[in-house]
Amino acid sequence: QEQLVESGGGLVKPGGSLRLSCAASGFTFGDYYMGWIRQAPGKGLEWVSYISSSGSSIYYADSVKGRFTISRDNAKNSLYLQMNSLRAEDTAVYYCAKMAIWFDPWGQGTLVTVSS
Amino acid sequence: EIVLTQSPGTLSLSPGERATLSCRASQSLSSDYLAWYQQKPGQAPRLLIYGASSRATGIPDRFSASGSGTDFTLTISRLEPEDFAVYYCQQRVTFGGGTKMEIK
Repeated sequence: QEQLVESGGGLVKPGGSLRLSCAASGFTFGDYYMGWIRQAPGKGLEWVSYISSSGSSIYYADSVKGRFTISRDNAKNSLYLQMNSLRAEDTAVYYCAKMAIWFDPWGQGTLVTVSS
Repeated sequence: EIVLTQSPGTLSLSPGERATLSCRASQSLSSDYLAWYQQKPGQAPRLLIYGASSRATGIPDRFSASGSGTDFTLTISRLEPEDFAVYYCQQRVTFGGGTKMEIK
């Protein structure tokens, strides 16, 4: 079945960087848009970024624009999120998800904690 | 930018009761783009409904949804213990703030 597995989360100091990965299986990865959505502790869902199937179209939420970079490697069935200049408010569980107009499925999430 | 407002924020009901959750958009949107998700503690969100009224694969028929324009509704006909969770609506890249369904 369709599965997404995120990795790369952890504890990082403010101003630091982290790269998240999302490994996809069970579907033709290169046919689909993919997205990142985050959830701060005890809060709701916030879309972060998405990328078209070929990687030619990319969109970011204003809150991360200029700091985060989404990319994909269709040969490796993998999605990435490079996060730079991290702030305390970036602390969240980060989910990757396959996109149609909706998000399905979602990975299990990876926790990013930004703290000194 | 469309804002999605969910109400109530918290819904306290008993198993077997009917639940009605609301999602109101700040401007009219296409029903094709409205989805609902369920999230249980410690788990990722799960797609319940897409295209405003179509159940995702494996979703029980006690879940139904409707709506158009700016007003959308998710209904759970008879609550099961596993239905107590947080529910989110979504349109494109915008999520509602969620409705927490708790056991009364």
